[in-house]
Amino acid sequence: SYELTQPPSESVSPGQTATITCSGDALPNQFLYWYQQKPGQAPVIVMSRDTERPSGIPERFSGSTSGTTGTLTITGVQAEDEADYYCQSADNTGTYPVVFGGGTKLTVL
Amino acid sequence: EVQLLESGGGFVQTGESLTLSCAASGFTFVSYAMNWVRQDPVKGLQWVAAVSGSGSRAYYADSVKGRFTISRDNSKKTLYLQMNNLRAEDTAIYYCAKDQFDYGDSVSFSPWGQGTLVTVSS
Repeated sequence: SYELTQPPSESVSPGQTATITCSGDALPNQFLYWYQQKPGQAPVIVMSRDTERPSGIPERFSGSTSGTTGTLTITGVQAEDEADYYCQSADNTGTYPVVFGGGTKLTVL
Repeated sequence: EVQLLESGGGFVQTGESLTLSCAASGFTFVSYAMNWVRQDPVKGLQWVAAVSGSGSRAYYADSVKGRFTISRDNSKKTLYLQMNNLRAEDTAIYYCAKDQFDYGDSVSFSPWGQGTLVTVSS
């Protein structure tokens, strides 16, 4: 079955730039989405269709893709950005099944 | 404001059944496909099932195909997940999630409900 691969953890100091990657063979052909999840809360979408920031998401969040790798970048990380981040997409067969990456725990030092 | 409120979770034995509900408000329910996504500490987030706005088309993850049925009642603005022959590996928090867009071929989820816990014990 199709898989999206994320690093399990990333650490960054406040004010620095955090980059979280997601790798998948179908990413050249499928949109990539990113979700933020804080403890005890439901996931919230922070990046849509590779590079689109949904309404209400701070400008410090940006997305990009290159080949089979997508990246979520947080420029000027704040303490409140500490959370789990999940990427989501689909394989080359179509819209379903939807696939999530394993998640990356972002720690703000 | 869009709101999704799940209910119906609980503790069941292996092989038993359970039905989850998700009451929606704040948007034109019939215009959006709806989804169930589950989360457990080991396997992380896993998409479970989706149903089209009209309810005529349903899609399932292989792990639940043949055991779970997703449906909706647009007159009640409510989404359902009928879960039969439950297994220990179905133990998870189950989230109801609205398709972010009412158009296009790609699927994304926004917003999500707060989730309901399903525990299956052997």
